[in-house]
Amino acid sequence: DGGITQSPKYLFRKEGQNVTLSCEQNLNHDAMYWYRQDPGQGLRLIYYSQIVNDFQKGDIAEGYSVSREKKESFPLTVTSAQKNPTAFYLCASTSWEGTDTQYFGPGTRLTVL
Amino acid sequence: RKEVEQDPGPFNVPEGATVAFNCTYSNSASQSFFWYRQDCRKEPKLLMSVYSSGNEDGRFTAQLNRASQYISLLIRDSKLSDSATYLCVVRGGTGRRALTFGSGTRLQVQP
Repeated sequence: DGGITQSPKYLFRKEGQNVTLSCEQNLNHDAMYWYRQDPGQGLRLIYYSQIVNDFQKGDIAEGYSVSREKKESFPLTVTSAQKNPTAFYLCASTSWEGTDTQYFGPGTRLTVL
Repeated sequence: RKEVEQDPGPFNVPEGATVAFNCTYSNSASQSFFWYRQDCRKEPKLLMSVYSSGNEDGRFTAQLNRASQYISLLIRDSKLSDSATYLCVVRGGTGRRALTFGSGTRLQVQP
């Protein structure tokens, strides 16, 4: 089955630690995105990548970093510089052809202890 | 001002009711419009795209008014399973294909 996978589903981190969230897709999609959702709020864009080896900052990139070495993978690192990292993180992808519907992974819920 | 604004609700309606959600967007260059549904603690899923001529999918009808920068979603004959948060979503005209999400309107359909 084609789709987007994110791991882990739940992640706990101590303050001051970096942590990397995984996102993999087998949909052969060109573009991938990372969003953050806080309780009662919509999604906010952290980073996006339209092609391999290229990525752009979104609206709230500070304290995060990404890489896009393979088309299928777009990992997100939450660094210790991110002041309030506890949130629900969602990865999405879309193809340039046809409709530009974004498909989401199941998300990673990060809690900083 | 937020780029996409929605009434947060919650909307509490009985089964069988008709309910309407409204949304406004600030970027007049926006090109694509969607309604997504999000269940509690789950990822958003596309409910329907919104076209200028209006479109319908079963009990769901979406309308777009570009002049007023206004989007609506109408749900007829509400079911218990319609209970969720409905997100109004816009893709801007800057060439960036990322989406801008409203905060969502929560719907609770009651028996």
